[in-house]
Amino acid sequence: AQSVTQPDIHITVSEGASLELRCNYSYGATPYLFWYVQSPGQGLQLLLKYFSGDTLVQGIKGFEAEFKRSQSSFNLRKPSVHWSDAAEYFCAVGAYTGRRALTFGSGTRLQVQP
Amino acid sequence: DVKVTQSSRYLVKRTGEKVFLECVQDMDHENMFWYRQDPGLGLRLIYFSYDVKMKEKGDIPEGYSVSREKKERFSLILESASTNQTSMYLCASSSSGESYNEQFFGPGTRLTVL
Repeated sequence: AQSVTQPDIHITVSEGASLELRCNYSYGATPYLFWYVQSPGQGLQLLLKYFSGDTLVQGIKGFEAEFKRSQSSFNLRKPSVHWSDAAEYFCAVGAYTGRRALTFGSGTRLQVQP
Repeated sequence: DVKVTQSSRYLVKRTGEKVFLECVQDMDHENMFWYRQDPGLGLRLIYFSYDVKMKEKGDIPEGYSVSREKKERFSLILESASTNQTSMYLCASSSSGESYNEQFFGPGTRLTVL
């Protein structure tokens, strides 16, 4: 069974600083990988996804993520954080076969200081 | 745009009550999901359905049941609500095409059981 680890429960960055949120997954083959964002009181919105091909994927709101098979990682990055990026971020993994549901990490809460 | 709606944003029930949470999607998606979200635990899958009248247990099905009589509607039922079922409940849907793992989420229902 697949699993996802987000080692950082809470991160605080200053507005304008760069951001990297870590995600490590466990799965026996190349997985589907996702990053979702949840703003306060809202449902989850898809930021970006990786299915195959180029290991650097671009998403919405200026986010990008890089799939590194050797490290089983899919870290999310943004070069310059805006105050509106304050939210909770979830990494998720999906399988090519079998269960169609996603397995989510425990989330990383991002706080942005002015 | 895909739209997933949930019948209530906030719900307060008493221990022992039967509770229905409704979810409707308007994109003709085959797959629908119910997740439970708790702080520090991320999203955990309760049940999912890949077709009308079909259902499969997720990771934490105990104390819950589901119903899918129509393709667009997926209901989560708490037969006898308990205080440990106080949580945020998120519904999601996805297609069964190439991008079948990409899920679209509703805004969530925050359930409090007293």
